[in-house]
Amino acid sequence: QKEVEQNSGPLSVPEGAIASLNCTYSDRVSQSFFWYRQYSGKSPELIMSIYSNGDKEDGRFTAQLNKASQYVSLLIRDSQPSDSATYLCAVKDNNNDMRFGAGTRLTVKP
Amino acid sequence: DTGVSQDPRHKITKRGQNVTFRCDPISEHNRLYWYRQTLGQGPEFLTYFQNEAQLEKSRLLSDRFSAERPKGSFSTLEIQRTEQGDSAMYLCASSLEYRNTEAFFGQGTRLTVV
Repeated sequence: QKEVEQNSGPLSVPEGAIASLNCTYSDRVSQSFFWYRQYSGKSPELIMSIYSNGDKEDGRFTAQLNKASQYVSLLIRDSQPSDSATYLCAVKDNNNDMRFGAGTRLTVKP
Repeated sequence: DTGVSQDPRHKITKRGQNVTFRCDPISEHNRLYWYRQTLGQGPEFLTYFQNEAQLEKSRLLSDRFSAERPKGSFSTLEIQRTEQGDSAMYLCASSLEYRNTEAFFGQGTRLTVV
């Protein structure tokens, strides 16, 4: 069974702080990694994708990947109340099957 | 192209009835996924297609569930003899088949079995 694990939270940070979201995966041959944001009652929307070890920055978001440790994270700088949502980690393996973690619920307090 | 489209958005049905949902993927996407999501959980994989071929089904998918993608375009997911435990959001997503491509989701169909 291919697993994608996330801390379910809730994770609460004050406005303006850095929110750090973590994800581990069990399938060592996984190749592609994605972070989706999901607001309550809505469908997931893609925030970031990362395919190589290291950091990838896009605005206030930074994705970090460490394939040796089977670990991927998402940092949100200058967190805003509008960032309050559930963040889903998704992993694609060599067969391009996409699996999701259970999500981490983030609350940014004004 | 307006993205992935799902129909209906909401469905309320009585236990024991059959229901069918439709998904229209982004037109050039040859991969189509079905997921089920319950409150507080991430999307749970059900099945996926590459073109018209159903390549994988989750072991969690009972024989009451069937999915088709007859012409490699739209897909249908049918649930026969619905049970209250089937109440969930059913999400469809599509992508290109290549490794480093993301999946785009439809708005989902929320099923309530009463």
